[in-house]
Amino acid sequence: AQSVTQLDSQVPVFEEAPVELRCNYSSSVSVYLFWYVQYPNQGLQLLLKYLSGSTLVKGINGFEAEFNKSQTSFHLRKPSVHISDTAEYFCASTGANNLFFGTGTRLTVIP
Amino acid sequence: EAGVAQSPRYKIIEKRQSVAFWCNPISGHATLYWYQQILGQGPKLLIQFQNNGVVDDSQLPKDRFSAERLKGVDSTLKIQPAKLEDSAVYLCASSYAGPNEQFFGPGTRLTVL
Repeated sequence: AQSVTQLDSQVPVFEEAPVELRCNYSSSVSVYLFWYVQYPNQGLQLLLKYLSGSTLVKGINGFEAEFNKSQTSFHLRKPSVHISDTAEYFCASTGANNLFFGTGTRLTVIP
Repeated sequence: EAGVAQSPRYKIIEKRQSVAFWCNPISGHATLYWYQQILGQGPKLLIQFQNNGVVDDSQLPKDRFSAERLKGVDSTLKIQPAKLEDSAVYLCASSYAGPNEQFFGPGTRLTVL
């Protein structure tokens, strides 16, 4: 069965500092992985996705993630965060037909 | 390109009442999804449609929840009767083909008192 685990429920970070949001997946079959962002009172927006190919995936808003098969991880990184990055971030993987989401990580950027 | 539309954005009802949510997917998207997002949790799939047929409704509490997509375009999700634990954000998403490129609507926040 597909599942993802987000290890941190909350991550505070100062503005312009780097950040890493952790995600581990569990799957016995080929896996597709995603990061979504949810701003307050809004729906989810796709940041980036890994389907195949290069293990380093670049997304929108300066975010990137690296697929690591040996560690079953897909951590999200940004070298310098902005106040506007404050949001909830969800890691997800696909099963046969749909997405399975983690519990989310709330990123708070401190001025 | 217009995004996924949902209405209403907010709804407050008392337990045992009924409620309905509406979703209009992106034009041309054959697949439509309804998710339930309880506070502090990730979204959980309730039901998936391919055109007007149900692909997966294994997580839909069928004793109180129902959904339809009669003409293969917009969809409604209904809860009757509502319970306190149904308080959540209900998200609609659509995709052209498959689950790997889903576009989400803004959601409907339901509060059951």
